[in-house]
Amino acid sequence: EDKVVQSPLSLVVHEGDTVTLNCSYEVTNFRSLLWYKQEKKAPTFLFMLTSSGIEKKSGRLSSILDKKELFSILNITATQTGDSAVYLCAVVGNKLVFGAGTILRVKS
Amino acid sequence: GAGVSQSPSNKVTEKGKDVELRCDPISGHTALYWYRQSLGQGLEFLIYFQGNSAPDKSGLPSDRFSAERTGGSVSTLTIQRTQQEDSAVYLCASSPLGLETSEQYFGPGTRLTVT
Repeated sequence: EDKVVQSPLSLVVHEGDTVTLNCSYEVTNFRSLLWYKQEKKAPTFLFMLTSSGIEKKSGRLSSILDKKELFSILNITATQTGDSAVYLCAVVGNKLVFGAGTILRVKS
Repeated sequence: GAGVSQSPSNKVTEKGKDVELRCDPISGHTALYWYRQSLGQGLEFLIYFQGNSAPDKSGLPSDRFSAERTGGSVSTLTIQRTQQEDSAVYLCASSPLGLETSEQYFGPGTRLTVT
């Protein structure tokens, strides 16, 4: 059965800290891995990763995929209170499967 | 341009009644997805449309749930004989191509409360 596991489940940090969120997966016929940020209702897209070892970067956020070890990490540097959200990882194989998310709270 | 829209934004219904939720995808997007998110839970995939056909209906939780898409555009998710456990936020997303490209744009969701 396809599954996506995110860790930690929740995290509290102070502004300026760097955080690393993890996503491991087991899926049939892997095609891509996606990261989303969900603050209220609708998730917003962050990154799509298809190739191992190629870092995707957007401002203070970056992500990388390891297709051999079947995981991805999402890094956020110099965190701000506006980064507080649920971060969702999803993997596209034969199906689209979402992880349960990591709740990040950034304290000022 | 306009994003994905959903209606209604909130729906309160009595147990046993039927409800219809609507999703208007981004114009030109061929793929459309329905998800459910219960309080404090992750996203639960329900169904995926490629054009008007649904290659993957595996996530529909019971035969009370059905969905259709007409004209490759608007989709409706119907829940018959609603139960309290159906209370959740129902999210719709669309993407330009199929599952393989997978950058999805989400609508604001419909919050369904079954009393």
